Amino acid sequence: QKEVEQDPGPLSVPEGAIVSLNCTYSNSAFQYFMWYRQYSRKGPELLMYTYSSGNKEDGRFTAQVDKSSKYISLFIRDSQPSDSATYLCAMSANSGYSTLTFGKGTMLLVSP
Amino acid sequence: DAGITQSPRHKVTETGTPVTLRCHQTENHRYMYWYRQDPGHGLRLIHYSYGVKDTDKGEVSDGYSVSRSKTEDFLLTLESATSSQTSVYFCAISEYGQPQHFGDGTRLSIL
Repeated sequence: QKEVEQDPGPLSVPEGAIVSLNCTYSNSAFQYFMWYRQYSRKGPELLMYTYSSGNKEDGRFTAQVDKSSKYISLFIRDSQPSDSATYLCAMSANSGYSTLTFGKGTMLLVSP
Repeated sequence: DAGITQSPRHKVTETGTPVTLRCHQTENHRYMYWYRQDPGHGLRLIHYSYGVKDTDKGEVSDGYSVSRSKTEDFLLTLESATSSQTSVYFCAISEYGQPQHFGDGTRLSIL
């Protein structure tokens, strides 16, 4: 079993839809969770980071962590064509963030 | 952007030649990392540095070496490039307790 599982997609939605992106993990030591957005031929860009369980909201984006289920989610409200990208989840067991374990990414396509 | 410059941005070279990729940061962050990204594998850590002259191996370090003689520069060297090292290489930086920020990558093709 891989440490972090993420559906590769592509996930295709119409503009304005609510998008749910998810990762599951097996290592119960993970405490720090991140979501990165990666446009084609660019580096990953940090979107959200959270500690332990709970929700965090930033504009149209909400990150949710359920440690009991080893499941994290990123919700995008009112999705826009500019949200079309690959979304990577990442997680770490230590506060220094020195070693991250990444999911393989989910490609999202938002059509006008 | 997080003040990270990777050079070169693209490189094509031949099997057996040495290759050095450079990562330069202007943020004065302590930690620097080299990753490779391949279809089907995602991002994998090659080496990282936790200070000047302090480095450690990551998940896929075989065939790679690194050096960090200044806070701002982290070099990745392929001593004798092989076709399996064709990839997109990303540098990342972080400060203790903060998440990593990435550069825009170097596309390396080894023929």
